[in-house]
Amino acid sequence: KQEVTQIPAALSVPEGENLVLNCSFTDSAIYNLQWFRQDPGKGLTSLLLIQSSQREQTSGRLNASLDKSSGRSTLYIAASQPGDSATYLCAGSYSKLTFGTGTRLQVTL
Amino acid sequence: NAGVTQTPKFRVLKTGQSMTLLCAQDMNHEYMYWYRQDPGMGLRLIHYSVGEGTTAKGEVPDGYNVSRLKKQNFLLGLESAAPSQTSVYFCASSGHMNTEAFFGQGTRLTVV
Repeated sequence: KQEVTQIPAALSVPEGENLVLNCSFTDSAIYNLQWFRQDPGKGLTSLLLIQSSQREQTSGRLNASLDKSSGRSTLYIAASQPGDSATYLCAGSYSKLTFGTGTRLQVTL
Repeated sequence: NAGVTQTPKFRVLKTGQSMTLLCAQDMNHEYMYWYRQDPGMGLRLIHYSVGEGTTAKGEVPDGYNVSRLKKQNFLLGLESAAPSQTSVYFCASSGHMNTEAFFGQGTRLTVV
């Protein structure tokens, strides 16, 4: 069964800190791995997509990596800001998207 | 720049009532999906479509039906709503199974 797991479920960090969010998946036959952001009461916003042939993708302060052999992806956020507070979800693309349950991030002043 | 639009945004139903949720996308995407999001459960796939006129069951299809008569629209129907269907429903689309997925803003449905 294709499963995607995100640990921890919640994380609180002070402003300015660099942080890493983790995503693991059981089936390495993945087409791509996508990271999303969800603000309370809102939809999902796509942050980064890493194709199975790629090792990482970068957008601004965000960097996502993919290691198929170990079944892991990480989302690195540099110099965190209070506006980064949200739930971050990863999703593995097989024949369909399979989501993790997300990490709720709070960046405090 | 609409992207993926869901209608309605909120709805309260009585048990046994029926309703249809509409998803429209203007990106000419082949793939469309309906998910439900529940606390602690993450997003679970209800049904999906790989092109106009096609539909397929996802992880939790029972109690729902879908139709994709036009490429840009994907309808989710509840024939006889149950309290267990209280959830936030999200529609998404993508050009292909391994391309970026775009989500609508969600429909919050309460069944009383």
